[in-house]
Amino acid sequence: NAGVTQTPKFRILKIGQSMTLQCAQDMNHNYMYWYRQDPGMGLKLIYYSVGAGITDKGEVPNGYNVSRSTTEDFPLRLELAAPSQTSVYFCASSYRAGPQETQYFGPGTRLLVL
Amino acid sequence: QQQVKQSPQSLIVQKGGISIINCAYENTAFDYFPWYQQFPGKGPALLIAIRPDVSEKKEGRFTISFNKSAKQFSLHIMDSQPGDSATYFCAALQRDTGRRALTFGSGTRLQVQP
Repeated sequence: NAGVTQTPKFRILKIGQSMTLQCAQDMNHNYMYWYRQDPGMGLKLIYYSVGAGITDKGEVPNGYNVSRSTTEDFPLRLELAAPSQTSVYFCASSYRAGPQETQYFGPGTRLLVL
Repeated sequence: QQQVKQSPQSLIVQKGGISIINCAYENTAFDYFPWYQQFPGKGPALLIAIRPDVSEKKEGRFTISFNKSAKQFSLHIMDSQPGDSATYFCAALQRDTGRRALTFGSGTRLQVQP
């Protein structure tokens, strides 16, 4: 299994540009998440999905959109990029079963908005 | 509102020493407390986790101590090794919600000196 994969690894955007961060998992997990990690701030939840066709906002959803058309894929769309969106973005997935709750994270996408 | 507070922000320990990282939470509905380890350029990975019905969990050199009445939990790394140098995040989860997303602490950068 490849686990959780993310593309691209690094991207520079100009203010006002748009882009899609790709995330895919091959573990048949129903839950998927997008977090952003800012220096010294931990990870904050942007959006999450409990299954194909179902998404909901997290703590910091403004400026982002998501879709979940398949179990495997959960892309994050940035519209009108702003410097405040400079961050490292992590996608994660988990399977809801029993007392354990392991979220598996991808390697991250580093985004710089100039 | 920071629901999980983590300290210290950084920690330097000599090889063979004990590393201790502390976290405090506010939401008494949290019922699952994992610790994640993150190496530079990588996504976080689950290290060890505990449920509030136990006061301690040990896996190898890593131990979680949990104090439900004080709403605090801590990670102890015994016989710290240079390979343990990483950023450690505590987290908390309320499993009976639809979201099942982690609330992270701000992270502790651990450096183990040889």
